[in-house]
Amino acid sequence: EPEVTQTPSHQVTQMGQEVILRCVPISNHLYFYWYRQILGQKVEFLVSFYNNEISEKSEIFDDQFSVERPDGSNFTLKIRSTKLEDSAMYFCASSEDRGSGWGSTDTQYFGPGTRLTVL
Amino acid sequence: DAKTTQPPSMDCAEGRAANLPCNHSTISGNEYVYWYRQIHSQGPQYIIHGLKNNETNEMASLIITEDRKSSTLILPHATLRDTAVYYCIALYSGGGADGLTFGKGTHLIIQP
Repeated sequence: EPEVTQTPSHQVTQMGQEVILRCVPISNHLYFYWYRQILGQKVEFLVSFYNNEISEKSEIFDDQFSVERPDGSNFTLKIRSTKLEDSAMYFCASSEDRGSGWGSTDTQYFGPGTRLTVL
Repeated sequence: DAKTTQPPSMDCAEGRAANLPCNHSTISGNEYVYWYRQIHSQGPQYIIHGLKNNETNEMASLIITEDRKSSTLILPHATLRDTAVYYCIALYSGGGADGLTFGKGTHLIIQP
């Protein structure tokens, strides 16, 4: 069964450093998402991406974050200058494009996550 | 998306059916009810979704009341591996890029 994969599983970095988290979405999916979960807290939506541009983003997704689809298979989340409070699990998800309008829905499938630890 | 309300925790004996309730009294006619679960710190796992009719798949059944103000996720024969946090989420139909809004969910504990 196709699945979303993420690398690395655990990333440790120093405060102020740049990190890139990588995701390989399910191959025929066209919508891509990033979520984060700070330890003990809820899963929070960061951003969605479609047709090579950001579709929607939350208040959390500020200028220090960026997303990119550098090739036909990868989807990345970059954090430019990490802060202690960026320590969290980061989940990538993807969904098909079943079209818009009444009755359509696009189930999101999640990857296993990357644990980011900022020291 | 409509707000959903779930009990914070539930217990169920192994082998019995686990029935997880969810209230979504403000749900609109074009919002689906989705269920996900999260085992420890793993990625959320899709379980099932529905709009009006009851749905069943290999993992679970979803019962939606006629007025659509509440639903119940049923795990027919719970095992220890079903211990997880279960999330009920309302999602607008046709909003392909909409982010999911996760609440605190229900922590289901399967007792041996």
